[in-house]
Amino acid sequence: EVHLVESGGGLVQPGGSLRLSCAASGFTFSNYGVTWVRQAPGKGLEWLSYITYNSDTRYYADSVRGRFTISRDNAKNSLYLQMNSLRDEDTAVYYCARFDCSGGSCYGPIDYWGQGTLVTVSS
Amino acid sequence: SYVLTQAPSVSVAPGQTARITCGGNNIGSKGVHWYQQRPGQAPLLVICYNSDRPSGIPERFSGSNSGNTATLTISRVEAGDDADYYCQVWDSSSDWVFGGGTKLTVL
Repeated sequence: EVHLVESGGGLVQPGGSLRLSCAASGFTFSNYGVTWVRQAPGKGLEWLSYITYNSDTRYYADSVRGRFTISRDNAKNSLYLQMNSLRDEDTAVYYCARFDCSGGSCYGPIDYWGQGTLVTVSS
Repeated sequence: SYVLTQAPSVSVAPGQTARITCGGNNIGSKGVHWYQQRPGQAPLLVICYNSDRPSGIPERFSGSNSGNTATLTISRVEAGDDADYYCQVWDSSSDWVFGGGTKLTVL
C-alpha cells in the first residue's frame, strides 16, 4: 500500500526557514515524479513544485520560485522542500503527493497524497 | 497563465445528479483530473484523463470534457459525496493548475 508521510511543519517567524520531509513507502519511489501542493486555511489547492524521478528537472510555481527548493533522495525514499524567506501567506497545510508519471511535463494525475503537515508563519 | 474556473458551490438533494463544471480556454484539448476533498482529509483522485475512474471509485462518478468546459457528474448523490471538488490540468504556460474548487452540498 502506498504511503506518503510528511513531517517538519510548525510555527516559524516571517523571514524564517523550514525544511519539510516526506517519507514514501509501498512503491518504487525512484520511478515516479513527486510534488508539493499546499492549501491555505479555508482556501483551495495550490501546486508548488515538482521534481522528476531522477531529479534532472525541477519546476516551481511563481509564488515560491527563488524561495523554495525541492529535492529528493531516492536511496532514502524521501522528498524534501526547503522553504526560505517565509511569509505570512505561506501559512498552509503542505501535502506531499505522487504523480502518475516519471518525467517532466507530466500530464498524469496525482494518484496518491500524504495527510499533510501544517506550516504557520507568524510573529 | 492558464486559469481553471469553477463555481464556488453546488447543492443537490440525495438521489439526484450533481454536475460540477471546470472552465478553461480550449480545455477540451487537455487531460482533466478531478479530486474530492472531504473536510479535514487529503484530496482523493476520483476521475483522471477526463473520464477514467481509478480503482475503488464508484460508477456513480463520471467525467466529460469538450470545448471550454470539463464536467464531473455524480449520479444518485449520497450524503458521503458532500465535499469539495477540484479540477486539475497540466499546461505548458503554467505547469500544474488547479481550479478554485466547488463545494458540493447534499441537502
